[in-house]
Amino acid sequence: GNSVTQMEGPVTLSEEAFLTINCTYTATGYPSLFWYVQYPGEGLQLLLKATKADDKGSNKGFEATYRKETTSFHLEKGSVQVSDSAVYFCALSDRGSGGGADGLTFGKGTHLIIQP
Amino acid sequence: DAGVTQSPTHLIKTRGQQVTLRCSPISGHKSVSWYQQVLGQGPQFIFQYYEKEERGRGNFPDRFSARQFPNYSSELNVNALLLGDSALYLCASSTGGTAWETQYFGPGTRLLVL
Repeated sequence: GNSVTQMEGPVTLSEEAFLTINCTYTATGYPSLFWYVQYPGEGLQLLLKATKADDKGSNKGFEATYRKETTSFHLEKGSVQVSDSAVYFCALSDRGSGGGADGLTFGKGTHLIIQP
Repeated sequence: DAGVTQSPTHLIKTRGQQVTLRCSPISGHKSVSWYQQVLGQGPQFIFQYYEKEERGRGNFPDRFSARQFPNYSSELNVNALLLGDSALYLCASSTGGTAWETQYFGPGTRLLVL
């Protein structure tokens, strides 16, 4: 079956530090990959996505590259801000054997804390 | 434009009871999915509906059921509630429900089973 593994938190960094949150996946088909973010008191929001190998998703200074050879989709940001403090979820959506979607498979989430 | 809306926001039930949660998708979206998020975990897929047909089902018992109406809104029903059903229930909508589309999430319904 499908699964997503991401680094456990909390991850605590100082403002302007470089961020990497690792994400690896297992999928039976050819998945699309997503990073969702959950800010305190808010719902899940899409941060970025990539739908095929070597695609790079980017948004708000965050980037992630779909690496099929290493089955990875690591999230990076060059200089984090206090406002980036949130829980980050890596997820995949597989086309499934029937060609339709089988829902998103999420990792457990990484709680990121940025200190001023 | 309004986002995905869910009702109620909070709910308290006792073991053995039944509960119905409601979701209205973004206007123009024909697919609705339901997820369960237990505290400290990522959401887990329960159901996906597209054009009123069930398209996908996650690994949940038959106590969980859902349906989608002609206006694309959806209900999730859970029978014979257990303590372990306490969670945040999320609804997400997308245009066609395909694997590469973005799913837009509602704020969730927090269910507490006592």
